[in-house]
Amino acid sequence: SYELTQPPSVSVSPGQTARITCSGDALPKQYAYWYQQKPGQAPVLVIYKDSERPSGIPERFSGSSSGTTVTLTISGVQAEDEADYYCQSADSSGNWVFGGGTKLTVL
Amino acid sequence: EVQLVESGGGLVQPGGSLRLSCAASGFTFSSYWMHWVRQAPGKGLVWVSRINSDGSSTSYADSVKGRFTISRDNAKNTLYLQMNSLRAEDTAVYYCASVVPAAIVWGQGTLVTVSS
Repeated sequence: SYELTQPPSVSVSPGQTARITCSGDALPKQYAYWYQQKPGQAPVLVIYKDSERPSGIPERFSGSSSGTTVTLTISGVQAEDEADYYCQSADSSGNWVFGGGTKLTVL
Repeated sequence: EVQLVESGGGLVQPGGSLRLSCAASGFTFSSYWMHWVRQAPGKGLVWVSRINSDGSSTSYADSVKGRFTISRDNAKNTLYLQMNSLRAEDTAVYYCASVVPAAIVWGQGTLVTVSS
């Protein structure tokens, strides 16, 4: 299996733009997914297939891909966006791989 | 409404066994692959196992291979995880999850604590 690498933490002020990256050798060949997880809660999908937004997710959440790096962008960050964010992909056998997670702090 | 509900967690001694269940509703369970993911206290998400739609293909993380068995009963819309030879490091919240059209659905998780 392969690894996905995320920064441990990102900090932004309310209203600014937060960017969380995820790097992995297989990302050019496999889709990436992004989850938001708040304390004591199950993960919630915020981006699927690199850049698609599930129903009910605010438009300020977006995803992009470039080579071996995918990026989750949160525009106009709000206090409620403070959470842990995980990227996830899959290997050629369909086994999932997760990044280590990024703690987003809204200052 | 698409929903997954886990059950079966609890306190078990090292070396013991436990079977987790995941009841699915609101979608055609038999059409989709299913996964188990765990999260140790204060740690990140870790993939544990997956099973294909008809149960003919399974895969495991190295850390649980030979000790855990994933299975499903499509007639009962239920996913299982049989966990044997449990260790302290298996202590975690266990989630079931499935990729459905335009979404990935997760259950609320069930806590497994391995301790004497």
